[in-house]
Amino acid sequence: DTAVSQTPKYLVTQMGNDKSIKCEQNLGHDTMYWYKQDSKKFLKIMFSYNNKELIINETVPNRFSPKSPDKAHLNLHINSLELGDSAVYFCASSQDGEGWRNTEAFFGQGTRLTVV
Amino acid sequence: RKEVEQDPGPFNVPEGATVAFNCTYSNSASQSFFWYRQDCRKEPKLLMSVYSSGNEDGRFTAQLNRASQYISLLIRDSKLSDSATYLCVVNAPGNAGNMLTFGGGTRLMVKP
Repeated sequence: DTAVSQTPKYLVTQMGNDKSIKCEQNLGHDTMYWYKQDSKKFLKIMFSYNNKELIINETVPNRFSPKSPDKAHLNLHINSLELGDSAVYFCASSQDGEGWRNTEAFFGQGTRLTVV
Repeated sequence: RKEVEQDPGPFNVPEGATVAFNCTYSNSASQSFFWYRQDCRKEPKLLMSVYSSGNEDGRFTAQLNRASQYISLLIRDSKLSDSATYLCVVNAPGNAGNMLTFGGGTRLMVKP
């Protein structure tokens, strides 16, 4: 069973299009995330979301919006795609511990987005 | 200053060598620390959590120094299969919520 699954695995699209990436986790975790890994391989947090709160990294353009129909899903919608959006996008989930403690995050296999 | 900093490497070592990676973090309130491993074109996967007293898992030893705000990973008897990028991960409570923050990764290449 895949713990965190995201689709599609590859996405090639033209500039200006709107696209969505889907993510689902079957771990019963409270918190889900979207990360972006660019060509320099640096993983940057984009969003953190649980059933109480959406936290947005302030550097993320508002063309990116997370949508969560329920606790097990966190989809990423991107409007007006730009060349610079080309990257690998990872979905992840974790279970919050007591206080500020986290358990580890489990990652999906990634979506390789190429904007042409 | 980046929240989590690592030497990007690459570290090129022969099989059987011992190699150590360090990582520094800026948020003194951080509570959770991890080392992840990422293979080329794959997702990051947890290698080990890092506990205050230090912990060992087979050939891997992790240490935490809260006073100096750094974390280390020691790999003994390196194998070819250890070649990967090792990511230092810290939780960052406060202004960004309770989100895991990744260092840029240290690339390890183990050669025959």
